[in-house]
Amino acid sequence: GENVEQHPSTLSVQEGDSAVIKCTYSDSASNYFPWYKQELGKRPQLIIDIRSNVGEKKDQRIAVTLNKTAKHFSLHITETQPEDSAVYFCAATNFGNEKLTFGTGTRLTIIP
Amino acid sequence: DAGVIQSPRHEVTEMGQEVTLRCKPISGHDYLFWYRQTMMRGLELLIYFNNNVPIDDSGMPEDRFSAKMPNASFSTLKIQPSEPRDSAVYFCASSPPPGTGWEKLFFGSGTQLSVL
Repeated sequence: GENVEQHPSTLSVQEGDSAVIKCTYSDSASNYFPWYKQELGKRPQLIIDIRSNVGEKKDQRIAVTLNKTAKHFSLHITETQPEDSAVYFCAATNFGNEKLTFGTGTRLTIIP
Repeated sequence: DAGVIQSPRHEVTEMGQEVTLRCKPISGHDYLFWYRQTMMRGLELLIYFNNNVPIDDSGMPEDRFSAKMPNASFSTLKIQPSEPRDSAVYFCASSPPPGTGWEKLFFGSGTQLSVL
């Protein structure tokens, strides 16, 4: 089955700087890669996703890039703000699989 | 829609007791997933249902865990007997039918389980 590794496990960034979280996956058949954000004590929520037919997707201050050859994808947050502090999870699947495999999460702390 | 509803929000029990967690998915969603979250292992898929039918329970840790979905609006996850290592946050999530975004999970607020 699919195996997703996520790094780093913790990340502290000065407010206004950029943050990058990286994930690798094992199954070359995976073609859908979402990112979920979980604020302290809250439920995970989808913030952005990318499909294997594109290499990059942006939504305001967040972007995701995908390298299918290397089997890794990354989340980029620019101009970080205190409300970006949360745990971020990457995940991978293929559309025939019906279930997501999550990474272990990255705790991002924005330092004011 | 109120979203995915889980109960209870917190459960404290003693080792050996039976624990039942409940979930009401979003109306119209075909898929229901049970996840367990721990610091060490992140989000682990325990079991998922499609149209009330269990599809994959390979993530269920052992026979002490069981899950049911008697109808489209209700599911339970039961642990009997509970053990301290079961302490975790248990999330239920649902997603729409195939072709309409099944891959986008909507999570409930979770149940924080503490087994003493």
